[in-house]
Amino acid sequence: AQSVTQLGSHVSVSEGALVLLRCNYSSSVPPYLFWYVQYPNQGLQLLLKYTTGATLVKGINGFEAEFKKSETSFHLTKPSAHMSDAAEYFCAVSDWRRGGADGLTFGKGTHLIIQP
Amino acid sequence: SQTIHQWPATLVQPVGSPLSLECTVEGTSNPNLYWYRQAAGRGLQLLFYSVGIGQISSEVPQNLSASRPQDRQFILSSKKLLLSDSGFYLCAWSTTSGRFINEQFFGPGTRLTVL
Repeated sequence: AQSVTQLGSHVSVSEGALVLLRCNYSSSVPPYLFWYVQYPNQGLQLLLKYTTGATLVKGINGFEAEFKKSETSFHLTKPSAHMSDAAEYFCAVSDWRRGGADGLTFGKGTHLIIQP
Repeated sequence: SQTIHQWPATLVQPVGSPLSLECTVEGTSNPNLYWYRQAAGRGLQLLFYSVGIGQISSEVPQNLSASRPQDRQFILSSKKLLLSDSGFYLCAWSTTSGRFINEQFFGPGTRLTVL
């Protein structure tokens, strides 16, 4: 069974500092991987995705993530944090399960706090 | 372009009352549709998914049910709400790419409070 682990339920960084949100997954096959962002009382918005090809993927709002198969990781980074980045971030994995259109498997989320 | 709508945006219901949440998708056909619940401070729990009209799969046993009366309409229902049904309900849609599920697109959510 696939699973997603996000290390740290809360991450705090200073404005202008590097943002690093960690995600590790387990999957029986090379998966599709996603990062979503959720602002309070809103739905989830796709930040970026990895399917095949280049392992470093760039997304919206200056975020990027690198797929490392050997480490089964898909960490999310941003060089310089902005106050507007404060939100909940979810890592998700998709692989083939039971032959049906199952939903993505989500991590429990990381709350990103930006200190002024 | 595709859009997804959910209503109502917020709902306060007494214990034991019925529930009906609606989700509609525009701009695509034959999407996979999903209902998730997000309890306070917790991750997303997949409740139901549907690959076509009248085809519903349930992920967890509960007092909720789902229906898909039209291709782009997904309804979440309950006959009698429990306190534990409180949460943020999200509808989502996706397509498939061969053996994989593509990214899911989420609606704005419904905040349900059961008192």
